[in-house]
Amino acid sequence: KAGVTQTPRYLIKTRGQQVTLSCSPISGHRSVSWYQQTPGQGLQFLFEYFSETQRNKGNFPGRFSGRQFSNSRSEMNVSTLELGDSALYLCASSEFGGRNYEQYFGPGTRLTVT
Amino acid sequence: GQQVMQIPQYQHVQEGEDFTTYCNSSTTLSNIQWYKQRPGGHPVFLIQLVKSGEVKKQKRLTFQFGEAKKNSSLHITATQTTDVGTYFCAGGGAAGNKLTFGGGTRVLVKP
Repeated sequence: KAGVTQTPRYLIKTRGQQVTLSCSPISGHRSVSWYQQTPGQGLQFLFEYFSETQRNKGNFPGRFSGRQFSNSRSEMNVSTLELGDSALYLCASSEFGGRNYEQYFGPGTRLTVT
Repeated sequence: GQQVMQIPQYQHVQEGEDFTTYCNSSTTLSNIQWYKQRPGGHPVFLIQLVKSGEVKKQKRLTFQFGEAKKNSSLHITATQTTDVGTYFCAGGGAAGNKLTFGGGTRVLVKP
């Protein structure tokens, strides 16, 4: 099976702009989770989608949103970008998601906000 | 605050030596998972432990889940340069129905 793909791989935006990141999970996986990774902060959970519904949400402001389509592909949107949003954004797919199933990560989107 | 803690944050190891990294949760976990992220890469799933006291081995890596299902350890024997990377543990159920990742242990190997 093909792995998790994320597009774009690199992105440079300026403060105040918005950005949309895309994630295609492994075929057959219905759960997609998003994480923000910054140096020294580890993996910060943003949200999880399962069968087009947001099932879990982390402690991020409302500027961060997401959605999942019927083919399980997911998008993450960040509005009104701030310098502190510069990070590696990782999506992870899982067959059933939640707390009991392993996750398969994509290569990530490196977002730089200037 | 963070419910899953990993220590140490950094581990400098001489090639050929052994080391252990630890993962601790403030709550009982349903399972513990371990991931490895190579420099410039993304986290890759290594293993999942579910049972109290469970021990699993993968070549030179030994994973253990505590009796109380609140802690776990990863022990690497005869460290090699290929072991370089950040090792994350992720606790299931530490904070709701999701995986909670620890801060990671970054392993540097001195040849």
